[in-house]
Amino acid sequence: GDSVTQMEGPVTLSEEAFLTINCTYTATGYPSLFWYVQYPGEGLQLLLKATKADDKGSNKGFEATYRKETTSFHLEKGSVQVSDSAVYFCALTPNTGGFKTIFGAGTRLFVKA
Amino acid sequence: KAGVTQTPRYLIKTRGQQVTLSCSPISGHRSVSWYQQTPGQGLQFLFEYFSETQRNKGNFPGRFSGRQFSNSRSEMNVSTLELGDSALYLCASSLAQGSGGEETQYFGPGTRLLVL
Repeated sequence: GDSVTQMEGPVTLSEEAFLTINCTYTATGYPSLFWYVQYPGEGLQLLLKATKADDKGSNKGFEATYRKETTSFHLEKGSVQVSDSAVYFCALTPNTGGFKTIFGAGTRLFVKA
Repeated sequence: KAGVTQTPRYLIKTRGQQVTLSCSPISGHRSVSWYQQTPGQGLQFLFEYFSETQRNKGNFPGRFSGRQFSNSRSEMNVSTLELGDSALYLCASSLAQGSGGEETQYFGPGTRLLVL
C-alpha cells in the first residue's frame, strides 16, 4: 500500500541554520504531496503542497519539490527561526477520488536562539 | 470565515463506554475526513464523508463509525472503548470540487480523548 517515510527527529538547529527534512513516498499512480506543520497543542496546518511531478511548493520560506524519479519531497528552508519549532509531517493523498491522506511519522524540529 | 470546529475539545471516558465526537466544517465544504493521532501509530486515516456518504475508509475496526448530515457537519462514534483508543482525533474539511486529492484539507484543533 501507499506509504510515507520521513527522517526521524528530533532535529535541533541554531537560528539562521539551513533546514532539510527528508521525505520519500511509495504510491501507485501520481499522488498529491503535502507538508503539514503542527505547533504544540494545535491541529495541523498546511505548509505547502505539490500536485504533480516537478512542481515546487513554497510558503513562509519553506520549499519542497515533487521528484517523481526519486519519489521524494524533501522540505527545505534557508534560515530557520525559533518560531519554526514544531512537528513537521510529510503526507500524500492518492488522486483516486476523495481524501485518504497517508502521513509520515513526523519530525520534531527545535530551533535554539 | 470560521475554521473547522470540533467539540468537545477534551473528553475522559472509561473502558467499555461509547463516545461521540462532532466536527463542523468550514462553510461550503462538503468533504469531512477524520484522523486518529497517537504517539505510537502517528496520524492514521479513519474515514471520509462527502455529501452524507462515506467515500473512503481506513483500516479501523467496526467500533469506529461516522456519519455526515445534510449541512455537512459530521460525527464519529467509538463504541466499547479500549485503552488504546486514547488519542487526539482530528477532523479536516475540504471543498472537494474536483477529484479531491489535489485540494487543501483544513484541520480542526482536535478532540483529545482519554480512556481510563
